Amino acid sequence: DARVTQTPRHKVTEMGQEVTMRCQPILGHNTVFWYRQTMMQGLELLAYFRNRAPLDDSGMPKDRFSAEMPDATLATLKIQPSEPRDSAVYFCASGPSDFPTGIQYFGAGTRLSVL
Amino acid sequence: AQSVTQPDIHITVSEGASLELRCNYSYGATPYLFWYVQSPGQGLQLLLKYFSGDTLVQGIKGFEAEFKRSQSSFNLRKPSVHWSDAAEYFCAVGHSGGGADGLTFGKGTHLIIQP
Repeated sequence: DARVTQTPRHKVTEMGQEVTMRCQPILGHNTVFWYRQTMMQGLELLAYFRNRAPLDDSGMPKDRFSAEMPDATLATLKIQPSEPRDSAVYFCASGPSDFPTGIQYFGAGTRLSVL
Repeated sequence: AQSVTQPDIHITVSEGASLELRCNYSYGATPYLFWYVQSPGQGLQLLLKYFSGDTLVQGIKGFEAEFKRSQSSFNLRKPSVHWSDAAEYFCAVGHSGGGADGLTFGKGTHLIIQP
């Protein structure tokens, strides 16, 4: 059963530390999304890639967040330095290439707590 | 810009009773609409989608939804709920028509099932 895999599932860190979250998309999917879920804002799109190229990262705070896809099987989201307001659940989703239907499959998320 | 409104933050339904979760969207063209379900500590699972054609769409787990363009609505229904349906439900609309460029989610409706 193909699924999106995210690691770690939980991360507790102190303010100012670097945080790296990883995502393995479903094999063959060419689009990868990063979403953030908070109680106040709900689910927000942070960034997405197609064929490993970044298409839109307008949802990310540029000064501290960065997203990359070093290869087709790995996407990363980094926060440096982390702040308490970054505490949230971060979801990765991947989708096949059949634009525009764009069905997305979500990972289980990384729950980040910044103290 | 597109937006999604889920008017009900919480809904409580007795087991075996019928269910309707409301969703209203704002989008300038023909929307691509989705309903996702999130169980505690899990990622989002796609219940159903509307792209075109028949305005009544069937999904998994006995759910259905009806697209009403005149009301800008895409309400989710189930004739008889089970205790396992207790979860958070999210309505979403695709960016630029489809979902291939990301989704805008509503704030979610928390479904509670009474025995």
